[in-house]
Amino acid sequence: DVKVTQSSRYLVKRTGEKVFLECVQDMDHENMFWYRQDPGLGLRLIYFSYDVKMKEKGDIPEGYSVSREKKERFSLILESASTNQTSMYLCASSPSGTGYGYTFGSGTRLTVV
Amino acid sequence: KQEVTQIPAALSVPEGENLVLNCSFTDSAIYNLQWFRQDPGKGLTSLLLIQSSQREQTSGRLNASLDKSSGRSTLYIAASQPGDSATYLCAVIGIQGAQKLVFGQGTRLTINP
Repeated sequence: DVKVTQSSRYLVKRTGEKVFLECVQDMDHENMFWYRQDPGLGLRLIYFSYDVKMKEKGDIPEGYSVSREKKERFSLILESASTNQTSMYLCASSPSGTGYGYTFGSGTRLTVV
Repeated sequence: KQEVTQIPAALSVPEGENLVLNCSFTDSAIYNLQWFRQDPGKGLTSLLLIQSSQREQTSGRLNASLDKSSGRSTLYIAASQPGDSATYLCAVIGIQGAQKLVFGQGTRLTINP
C-alpha cells in the first residue's frame, strides 16, 4: 500500500516562528499536494507539485511556501506563523495521469499561539 | 468553477440500517470521483474511486455509484455498524482542474448501537 507520512501529528508554535511541515511518500508518485482543513470551510488546496522542483499555487497560498527537492518529499513552510494558520494540514500524493486516486497522510494539527 | 455539495450535512441512524449519502457536482467534465472517510482528528482514508467511464464501484458493504451526466454520486452503506461512524467526504478531479481534488463539505454519520 502507498504510504504518505507526515512527520508530526501535533505541533505547537509561537507567532512569528518559521514552521516546516514535512511529507514523504513511498510509491514514486509524481504529484503531491498540501491542503488545510478548517471547520465550516472544508479542505482547501494550498500548494501542489507535479514534479521535483516544480510547484503551483492552490487556492490559498498566501503566507505559505513549499519545497520539493526530492520526488518523495514535499515540505510546506510557514514563513512567519500567525494564529490564523492554526489548522489541520493534510498532505496527499497521486500518480500522474488520469484514472488515479489520491492517498492522504494522517494529518498535522498545528496550533499557533 | 467546480462545486461539490454533500447532503445531508449530518445523519444519525440506528445500527443495522442501510443508508445513502449523496454528492453532487456542478461540472460533469470529470476524470474521477473519490469517496473518503475521516475519523475525528485523523487523515483521510480512501474508500472508493470511480473513474468517469464507470457507473459504480463496490467494496464490502460499500457501493458507490456515479451518474456523470446529472452530476451525482451516491455512497450506499449496507447493514450499518457503530464503527461506520465518521465523516464521509466526496471529491472530484475535473478535466479543467489540473488533477486537483475538489471536495464537498462532508456528511457526518453517527450509527447508534
